[in-house]
Amino acid sequence: DGGITQSPKYLFRKEGQNVTLSCEQNLNHDAMYWYRQDPGQGLRLIYYSQIVNDFQKGDIAEGYSVSREKKESFPLTVTSAQKNPTAFYLCASSPHDGANYGYTFGSGTRLTVV
Amino acid sequence: QQQVKQSPQSLIVQKGGISIINCAYENTAFDYFPWYQQFPGKGPALLIAIRPDVSEKKEGRFTISFNKSAKQFSLHIMDSQPGDSATYFCAASRVGDMRFGAGTRLTVKP
Repeated sequence: DGGITQSPKYLFRKEGQNVTLSCEQNLNHDAMYWYRQDPGQGLRLIYYSQIVNDFQKGDIAEGYSVSREKKESFPLTVTSAQKNPTAFYLCASSPHDGANYGYTFGSGTRLTVV
Repeated sequence: QQQVKQSPQSLIVQKGGISIINCAYENTAFDYFPWYQQFPGKGPALLIAIRPDVSEKKEGRFTISFNKSAKQFSLHIMDSQPGDSATYFCAASRVGDMRFGAGTRLTVKP
């Protein structure tokens, strides 16, 4: 079955730690995205990538970093610079650059600062 | 800057009733308008989508109505069922940019 796999499902971070969220897709989609979801605020774009080895900042990129070394993978690192990282993180992908097609989302990673 | 405004924030409907969620957008360059359904702890799933060259699209119990001149579109869920209870997001997109509404939490009471 084709789809997007996010891991882990739950993640706990201590103050000052960097953590990496995994996102893998086997849909052969060109574009991949990371969104942050907070209650009552919808989905906010963190980073996106349209091709391998290239990515762009979204609306709330500060405190986050990404890489796109393979078409299938788009990991997100939440750095210690992100002061309020507790949220639900969603990875998505789409064909081409995705703007005119629906996105396929993963099941999300819930990150909690402890 | 909120480019897509969605209302209401929450909605309670009786089983068998009609659920209506509204969205408005600002950028006339948007040319694709999808709706997503999200259950708790899951990622959003594409429900139905419309392009601005049509005013209505129906898929089963779900219908999108689109008013290009008013820059508004809405989702109608006919014969709402308890299984429809979820959060619904509208979105508007153009090449390289998709913007989401803040979401509507729908509860369908049996």
